[in-house]
Amino acid sequence: GAGVSQSPRYKVTKRGQDVALRCDPISGHVSLYWYRQALGQGPEFLTYFNYEAQQDKSGLPNDRFSAERPEGSISTLTIQRTEQRDSAMYRCASSPGRGTGELFFGEGSRLTVL
Amino acid sequence: AQSVTQLGSHVSVSEGALVLLRCNYSSSVPPYLFWYVQYPNQGLQLLLKYTSAATLVKGINGFEAEFKKSETSFHLTKPSAHMSDAAEYFCAVSDRLPGGGNKLTFGTGTQLKVEL
Repeated sequence: GAGVSQSPRYKVTKRGQDVALRCDPISGHVSLYWYRQALGQGPEFLTYFNYEAQQDKSGLPNDRFSAERPEGSISTLTIQRTEQRDSAMYRCASSPGRGTGELFFGEGSRLTVL
Repeated sequence: AQSVTQLGSHVSVSEGALVLLRCNYSSSVPPYLFWYVQYPNQGLQLLLKYTSAATLVKGINGFEAEFKKSETSFHLTKPSAHMSDAAEYFCAVSDRLPGGGNKLTFGTGTQLKVEL
């Protein structure tokens, strides 16, 4: 597609439920990133893929969070047993690969956990 | 670890006035630095980037930033503010990741308000 596409744009769930957030990167982009942005804060790095390989997951806050990119294109970020503190905007970005570091961001998925 | 600090979470200017948004960085190696803009209900959009070429970098929408190593700063400026510039602005520094990727570390953002 023309840009990074994320779905759903808005998700409201109850505490304890699992949620899956989807990211469709720009066609041909090798690298895919997940960020989390709390209200009033800048985006914080969660994890990153090159093709289908998860290269760095140091930003995932705990083992309830996982991500995959099985075919090197679309990625899913899954949060199990959601808690209220997981409420945030989850942003996906992609990039062509090696270069000067510019990331292309999607519009984000806003998660609200009640 | 690399980091950026944005001074002033809210900045208000009059239309036509100079815009100055401050960013200071901390980096152990020559950094790549970025300014992104976020309009309501939209994704982050790159304004400009510094990648160790010219120290004065020009971006979109009339914005520019100057890399000053001696001051560890990368402040964003625009000579004349327009109402459409009202948005949140983020400064970011890039870290290399295993596998060749780039981890951007963002500041906390500055909300720019433009008044008539």
